[in-house]
Amino acid sequence: EAGVTQFPSHSVIEKGQTVTLRCDPISGHDNLYWYRRVMGKEIKFLLHFVKESKQDESGMPNNRFLAERTGGTYSTLKVQPAELEDSGVYFCASSHPGAGEAFFGQGTRLTVV
Amino acid sequence: AQSVAQPEDQVNVAEGNPLTVKCTYSVSGNPYLFWYVQYPNRGLQFLLKYITGDNLVKGSYGFEAEFNKSQTSFHLKKPSALVSDSALYFCAVRDSGGSYIPTFGRGTSLIVHP
Repeated sequence: EAGVTQFPSHSVIEKGQTVTLRCDPISGHDNLYWYRRVMGKEIKFLLHFVKESKQDESGMPNNRFLAERTGGTYSTLKVQPAELEDSGVYFCASSHPGAGEAFFGQGTRLTVV
Repeated sequence: AQSVAQPEDQVNVAEGNPLTVKCTYSVSGNPYLFWYVQYPNRGLQFLLKYITGDNLVKGSYGFEAEFNKSQTSFHLKKPSALVSDSALYFCAVRDSGGSYIPTFGRGTSLIVHP
């Protein structure tokens, strides 16, 4: 079974540019999450999809962040325009409904310079 | 609201010695608890979980964790540490009656010395 995959693994962009991160969850997982970790801090929740619907986006920092999940399959997270404080590692995870654990991708390391 | 505390930023242990990585949690209902490990340049890898039943949970790579409801703790343990266990460890919790969103701690860096 393929795991959660994220693309790209690294991205370095200039302040003010746009970046789009992609996540392909495990097939059949309805739940999809985006998290972010800034160096040395906790892994912070950004948002949660159930299939194609945004269930909870309370963790999204501001309206420069836009997430979509086309047809309930892969998801994208767009940052536009990027700011220096957006730097960090963005993780995507997916899970079945119920008590199961979430499975994580390898993360995208975003550096805004 | 749910939260997780990992009070130690770093734990140092000699190879062959037992290790403990601490985690305490707060949820309004019954907790589902998880431990993950992150090796350098890798994603988070699931180690073990507590949902219900036996308080001692066994997971991957010889790790285990003990759920203690009265102390709201879920400490990760291993009887004999290996140098290859050196990594970043994250505890997570979610409310069994709430949303499906796990809340994570800050992580604890485990360093096992040869």
